Amino acid sequence: AQKITQTQPGMFVQEKEAVTLDCTYDTSDPSYGLFWYKQPSSGEMIFLIYQGSYDQQNATEGRYSLNFQKARKSANLVISASQLGDSAMYFCAMIGQGAQKLVFGQGTRLTINP
Amino acid sequence: DTAVSQTPKYLVTQMGNDKSIKCEQNLGHDTMYWYKQDSKKFLKIMFSYNNKELIINETVPNRFSPKSPDKAHLNLHINSLELGDSAVYFCASSQVWGSGKNEQFFGPGTRLTVL
Repeated sequence: AQKITQTQPGMFVQEKEAVTLDCTYDTSDPSYGLFWYKQPSSGEMIFLIYQGSYDQQNATEGRYSLNFQKARKSANLVISASQLGDSAMYFCAMIGQGAQKLVFGQGTRLTINP
Repeated sequence: DTAVSQTPKYLVTQMGNDKSIKCEQNLGHDTMYWYKQDSKKFLKIMFSYNNKELIINETVPNRFSPKSPDKAHLNLHINSLELGDSAVYFCASSQVWGSGKNEQFFGPGTRLTVL
């Protein structure tokens, strides 16, 4: 079974600072995928970034990067130069080779202060 | 051009009623899902269909019955609604059923409130 743990219920960051959102995972699957989704106050789920377990390089998408440390089973999201619009809930999720369903963490509520 | 759409966006109903939520995707995806987000924001999969075939059926009360008339549609019918069914229900779709990047595109969600 897969499990995702996000240990930061809430984070407060000053605008323009970089922020790291923590995510650790547990799985016995040799192949899996890791995702980050953003959920603003309007409620929709927005895909941010994906990392495959066999990808050699850390994924990057604009201001988002994923700090993937396979041995430590962590997949932290790094947002550079944070903006007020980054205030939202952020969910880490994984999909395993066998289960083929997204398993979500508890989420981290990020607040960017001006 | 809405990729994954759900209707209605809000649903307020009395305990014991039966209600349906509709989902449509215009992405040409093979796989569709229903997720439930509870009051603590925790998201959990309920069902998954691949090419109209039920693939995943998590431990969900049988009052919940999904129906997929075609690949582009996955509806959720709920019988005898209970207070605990109050949540946001998300429909999602993905391109393929299998390994690899399988990004799921989510609909806007349906907020169900049972009084």
